[in-house]
Amino acid sequence: QSALTQPASVSGPPGQSITISCTGTSSDVGSYNYVSWYQQHPGKAPKLMIYDVSNRPSGVSDRFSGSKSGNTASLTISGLQAEDEADYYCSSYRISTTVVIFGGGTKLTVL
Amino acid sequence: QLQLQESGPGPVKPSETLSLTCTVSGGFTSSTNYYWGWIRQPPGKGLEWIGSINYSGTTYYNPSLKSRVTISVDTSKNQFSLKLSAVTAADTAMYYCASLDILATAHGMEVWGQGTTVTVSS
Repeated sequence: QSALTQPASVSGPPGQSITISCTGTSSDVGSYNYVSWYQQHPGKAPKLMIYDVSNRPSGVSDRFSGSKSGNTASLTISGLQAEDEADYYCSSYRISTTVVIFGGGTKLTVL
Repeated sequence: QLQLQESGPGPVKPSETLSLTCTVSGGFTSSTNYYWGWIRQPPGKGLEWIGSINYSGTTYYNPSLKSRVTISVDTSKNQFSLKLSAVTAADTAMYYCASLDILATAHGMEVWGQGTTVTVSS
């Protein structure tokens, strides 16, 4: 069982927005703003999309945004495009043990 | 531009030690703003963080693997390495190396290697 809880799948038609949740505890997601989001296409390495809850690395589309409320972080993708279809993973730090934890992953299908 | 490339021997027999190396180009393992890490992904499953190391050799390990894992850095070769002992079929996975630049993307791992498949089989 993954340390962070994500929905197994989400879907939406092109052009619409979707949100993927990532629920942890007060020992990880809720403690600090260290949540990251990764996109992974089949057969490819993960790609960093969001770091520290809401920051985008250079080159990542502004259609991707992140937020956090309490022990739950969220990734929102607006204006869905076919190329967004992929697996998405959240990660956080568990401060007490200085370890990185991942969510189980969410498969995004663009209908 | 920083690039990472994993290398390893391929198949590993049960109970043996898995050894992988990540070669860094476009940057230096001696850089004080980087952490270097290993992540794995069993076939059809999610990501699992194995551990990380910084330029000075300070390591952080996944508690579930800690007793079997050693991560080291060789600044002279600009490489960092993973050793996982007493492997079983459950260690079969794609293994990725990745970097974290605390000055750029803080706590996010921005650069990843392409991954290397490790199969544990007799």
